[in-house]
Amino acid sequence: DTGVSQDPRHKITKRGQNVTFRCDPISEHNRLYWYRQTLGQGPEFLTYFQNEAQLEKSRLLSDRFSAERPKGSFSTLEIQRTEQGDSAMYLCASSLTSPAGETQYFGPGTRLLVL
Amino acid sequence: QKEVEQNSGPLSVPEGAIASLNCTYSDRGSQSFFWYRQYSGKSPELIMFIYSNGDKEDGRFTAQLNKASQYVSLLIRDSQPSDSATYLCAVEGNYGQNFVFGPGTRLSVLP
Repeated sequence: DTGVSQDPRHKITKRGQNVTFRCDPISEHNRLYWYRQTLGQGPEFLTYFQNEAQLEKSRLLSDRFSAERPKGSFSTLEIQRTEQGDSAMYLCASSLTSPAGETQYFGPGTRLLVL
Repeated sequence: QKEVEQNSGPLSVPEGAIASLNCTYSDRGSQSFFWYRQYSGKSPELIMFIYSNGDKEDGRFTAQLNKASQYVSLLIRDSQPSDSATYLCAVEGNYGQNFVFGPGTRLSVLP
């Protein structure tokens, strides 16, 4: 257990529905990342926050995806009007930046299945 | 476009042997390099990171970095069946940009 938690761990939804995932990072970590991973692939970057500011979004992130980190602590990732292609594992990672560098620690992930 | 490449495997080694996992990256400005282990159905787990050219050892694991060749590797000595997993290479670009992960190499250690 890295100290990063995600909720829910599994989600099954019908196409067209909205879903929201939550990530609670390690408490002193200032950066929080969202990734998507499909079978046989490495994690694919979606977006990241430094404290409450969203600093970068992948070009792959369509308008249906939105992420927030309102108080610089937990974060939510919402997918609107889900499509079958959204089925994947959604991973959250947190890190603490320092002059020595940055190391990301992953949560257990939320596995999404869109029917 | 930043890219990280790994052989997908599977790489099969007998128990007790040395497993060698390789990774190449395209962004010459990359500064930090990470190896993660991922068991099936689980999230990635950090094994090692390396910033400087040369070798870095931690227990049975050794990371090797050659920035001139844009190559990073992970050696696992005395491989155990519990080492059977997918090994992900991740590269961090300049100025703390987002991490880019390779597709992973699946390692199978045969008892």
